[in-house]
Amino acid sequence: DAKTTQPNSMESNEEEPVHLPCNHSTISGTDYIHWYRQLPSQGPEYVIHGLTSNVNNRMASLAIAEDRKSSTLILHRATLRDAAVYYCILRVALGGSQGNLIFGKGTKLSVKP
Amino acid sequence: DAGVTQSPTHLIKTRGQQVTLRCSPKSGHDTVSWYQQALGQGPQFIFQYYEEEERQRGNFPDRFSGHQFPNYSSELNVNALLLGDSALYLCASSWGPSWGTDTQYFGPGTRLTVL
Repeated sequence: DAKTTQPNSMESNEEEPVHLPCNHSTISGTDYIHWYRQLPSQGPEYVIHGLTSNVNNRMASLAIAEDRKSSTLILHRATLRDAAVYYCILRVALGGSQGNLIFGKGTKLSVKP
Repeated sequence: DAGVTQSPTHLIKTRGQQVTLRCSPKSGHDTVSWYQQALGQGPQFIFQYYEEEERQRGNFPDRFSGHQFPNYSSELNVNALLLGDSALYLCASSWGPSWGTDTQYFGPGTRLTVL
């Protein structure tokens, strides 16, 4: 399975942008890049996903490098509620079935007031 | 619209016992996946059920088994509990077959402690 590499932890100030990096040098052409986050004492929640083009939604933006070997999750204005562990996951698109989620250790984001 | 629900919230068992955890998927979802999350680690995939059949399985022993009912709810059973089975067990639901683009919705988990 293709692997991802993320920093163990990052810090941010409230109301400032946050850029969370992810390296996935062994990504294959059909792997989707997914981001989930897990707030304290909760199950993970979906943030965003993409294949080749940059993606935006109400929660965040996903910037994907042209060679797809890295990506960056962008939180435009961090809030205290964004403090969580962020997981970058490569989703294998298997023929006729759903690729399961393979979580690493993720990046623990701390947000300071 | 209720999200994914799991029961019980917490559970304490002793080594060698058996446990059953339950999950109700989000309304409209027909696929249920189970994950185990040890303290300080990311969730690890156990197995996935679709149309009442186990469709994918992670690297877990046969002591871990599951079931999906016609209403799409699911159970996770663990036999012969070991101390190392202590973890947060997460259930996630999604809809139908996809090609890696589906979103999985997670429940709050069941905290299992094995003494």
